[in-house]
Amino acid sequence: NAGVMQNPRHLVRRRGQEARLRCSPMKGHSHVYWYRQLPEEGLKFMVYLQKENIIDESGMPKERFSAEFPKEGPSILRIQQVVRGDSAAYFCASSSPQLNIQYFGAGTRLSVL
Amino acid sequence: QKEVEQNSGPLSVPEGAIASLNCTYSDRGSQSFFWYRQYSGKSPELIMFIYSNGDKEDGRFTAQLNKASQYVSLLIRDSQPSDSATYLCAVNAGGTSYGKLTFGQGTILTVHP
Repeated sequence: NAGVMQNPRHLVRRRGQEARLRCSPMKGHSHVYWYRQLPEEGLKFMVYLQKENIIDESGMPKERFSAEFPKEGPSILRIQQVVRGDSAAYFCASSSPQLNIQYFGAGTRLSVL
Repeated sequence: QKEVEQNSGPLSVPEGAIASLNCTYSDRGSQSFFWYRQYSGKSPELIMFIYSNGDKEDGRFTAQLNKASQYVSLLIRDSQPSDSATYLCAVNAGGTSYGKLTFGQGTILTVHP
């Protein structure tokens, strides 16, 4: 399967714990995007990364959230000290360098108890 | 004013009819436009993208773009019950926001037999 791979599909954390969400882009894609979909809300852009670079993080909350896309390995979205309001579906998308046509992974559903 | 607006619906059409989904956007400089389909509990799936004014057809789907009116639509011909889903309009402003897709709230489409 050469699609965008996200794991885990479901993640349960207690308040105050850390959540790490992983995303491997589609084969041939080197641009990664993270979006969040809160219950009953639309998809909201969080961050755009290329290998080893954060290009646009205008949608990232100022605290507790960080993202990286290392030279080797998947992109990671990290949420420190999770709160109940972080419960949402987190989607990763990827595109090729030539065209900003974004294809989405299956998402990670984060539940904070 | 929301950046990307869609009628939330639900839009209900009989099987075999044409479903018409509409979207308006506020940033006149927006450059690329996308329609995604999202089944309940699933991830967004790319249906169509369009860059230029006019119509673009792909099978039963036609995307229409009118930049002067800041309006983009999706027509689904010969609607099938399997088309029942939420349809998301997404807009990319380009420039410094190259990676960011701004989504509308989505239109819920129900195709009844």
